[in-house]
Amino acid sequence: QKEVEQDPGPLSVPEGAIVSLNCTYSNSAFQYFMWYRQYSRKGPELLMYTYSSGNKEDGRFTAQVDKSSKYISLFIRDSQPSDSATYLCAMSVGTSYDKVIFGPGTSLSVIP
Amino acid sequence: KAGVTQTPRYLIKTRGQQVTLSCSPISGHRSVSWYQQTPGQGLQFLFEYFSETQRNKGNFPGRFSGRQFSNSRSEMNVSTLELGDSALYLCASSLLGPQAGNTIYFGEGSWLTVV
Repeated sequence: QKEVEQDPGPLSVPEGAIVSLNCTYSNSAFQYFMWYRQYSRKGPELLMYTYSSGNKEDGRFTAQVDKSSKYISLFIRDSQPSDSATYLCAMSVGTSYDKVIFGPGTSLSVIP
Repeated sequence: KAGVTQTPRYLIKTRGQQVTLSCSPISGHRSVSWYQQTPGQGLQFLFEYFSETQRNKGNFPGRFSGRQFSNSRSEMNVSTLELGDSALYLCASSLLGPQAGNTIYFGEGSWLTVV
């Protein structure tokens, strides 16, 4: 079993839909959780960062962490074609990136 | 403000050869980190340099090495290339380092194909 699992998709939704992207993990020591967006042939860019459990909202994006279930989610409201990308979850025990584990990514396509 | 620049963008090498990839960070950024991205393994941390010193290293064999120059530009080298080294190599720069919570800026990557 991999430390971080993510449904690779592809996930295809109509414009305006609410999108739910999820990751599960096995290491209960993970404390820092991140979501990255990666457009085709580009490098990833940090979307959201949360520490421990709870929710964090930024515009149309909401990140949710449920440590008891070892499950994190990214919700995208009013999805736009520009949201079409691969979304990577990432998590770490401490703050050093050499211990960050990235999920394989979920490919999202928002159809106009 | 110019972003992170990686060269070359695409390259094809033969098994056994060596390759050098270059990264120019955002002006003022002293931390440069390198990652390997493959469909099977995802994004994996290679190493990080800060002010010309390697601060962190991932779990990769010694064939993977890097260095950073006084102007913060960085190079990574892979010797004795194997087919499994075919991947997208990403460079990222940041002010303080790639710690969780700090924003790091990725380049567009160098696509390496080993044949």
